[in-house]
Amino acid sequence: DTAVSQTPKYLVTQMGNDKSIKCEQNLGHDTMYWYKQDSKKFLKIMFSYNNKELIINETVPNRFSPKSPDKAHLNLHINSLELGDSAVYFCASSMGQGAPLYEQYFGPGTRLTVT
Amino acid sequence: GESVGLHLPTLSVQEGDNSIINCAYSNSASDYFIWYKQESGKGPQFIIDIRSNMDKRQGQRVTVLLNKTVKHLSLQIAATQPGDSAVYFCAEKDGGTYKYIFGTGTRLKVLA
Repeated sequence: DTAVSQTPKYLVTQMGNDKSIKCEQNLGHDTMYWYKQDSKKFLKIMFSYNNKELIINETVPNRFSPKSPDKAHLNLHINSLELGDSAVYFCASSMGQGAPLYEQYFGPGTRLTVT
Repeated sequence: GESVGLHLPTLSVQEGDNSIINCAYSNSASDYFIWYKQESGKGPQFIIDIRSNMDKRQGQRVTVLLNKTVKHLSLQIAATQPGDSAVYFCAEKDGGTYKYIFGTGTRLKVLA
């Protein structure tokens, strides 16, 4: 039933490790996003894919690499984790990019804690 | 630079009263605006949107007002209920890209 799902919900790991967060949407949407929400609740877009093609790549360290095996999935891999990577990561999807298709549906978030 | 901000980080409202959450934006090229509600432990949830060619849009108990002259956006919630307690974000979409810029969020507390 879940429209946008993420796994895991919680991720605790040590500095230097490599981890992945998975996202899947069953809405048939063409566009998917990754956002980072810091401890002050500030949401910032990281990446966006449209039909498996990267269309937005914000100023994100290249330790972060998104991968979209198909348009229903957008995974986020993070290498050499740092303390500053601790945040809640949200996946989202939207039907497309052109009006009136902008509404984004968000997943429940993955709380990443780097120790 | 581009920014979307909120005037009040925390807003406390008596149950049954109307709430008004404000948002300022600086990018005159933004063509679409959205209000999101985020409850504790959950992802943001779409509430209402408005395009830049409109100045008002109404939904169920919510109204969004857009004043492009002063680059100001507001969300009005009528008859605020305890279930409205959450953090509210405004977001703008740059007209030239598909990028969404989120504001810093306002926490709405509904007092019984």
